[in-house]
Amino acid sequence: DVKVTQSSRYLVKRTGEKVFLECVQDMDHENMFWYRQDPGLGLRLIYFSYDVKMKEKGDIPEGYSVSREKKERFSLILESASTNQTSMYLCASSLFVRTGRFGQPQHFGDGTRLSIL
Amino acid sequence: AQSVSQHNHHVILSEAASLELGCNYSYGGTVNLFWYVQYPGQHLQLLLKYFSGDPLVKGIKGFEAEFIKSKFSFNLRKPSVQWSDTAEYFCAVANSGYSTLTFGKGTMLLVSP
Repeated sequence: DVKVTQSSRYLVKRTGEKVFLECVQDMDHENMFWYRQDPGLGLRLIYFSYDVKMKEKGDIPEGYSVSREKKERFSLILESASTNQTSMYLCASSLFVRTGRFGQPQHFGDGTRLSIL
Repeated sequence: AQSVSQHNHHVILSEAASLELGCNYSYGGTVNLFWYVQYPGQHLQLLLKYFSGDPLVKGIKGFEAEFIKSKFSFNLRKPSVQWSDTAEYFCAVANSGYSTLTFGKGTMLLVSP
């Protein structure tokens, strides 16, 4: 069974801090994703990566960056945390299907609830 | 760009009632369709998926969904809900040529015993 592990369930940081959220998957998936989940807004894609050192912006990339140095690990970075980045952050992974390049089922971690004070 | 609409933000049912949650997407063409569930305090889990073939797909825990291409819809159904079905449900769509999914805003289902 696919396991996606996020480094922290709860995190409290101060405004202006640089924040790192880590995610590791154990199924050799090519694709990895970062979302934020807010009540009434559903899941919004921040960034995704389809290969090591590759990244693509999602719908709401402003204020965030990502790093993928190894296939199994995908990090989300808040360069200078602000209170409007208080949210639940979800990491996911999926297989990359070369034929047709079609979105496959994504496997999610437990989430990190981040509070910025 | 693709968008996904879930008709109800909150649904309250009594145990044994039938359930139907609506999902419509905006962009046609070939799609993959998914329903995910998030139980309180747990991660999102895949309930069912449609890739091709029979438009009526069955998932885990007695859920099913029907893809109606002409209506751009993929509604989730269960004949008789249980208290343990209390959760948030998300519809998601993948378009051909893209690795990403577009999620709806979710429907919170509360089943009273």
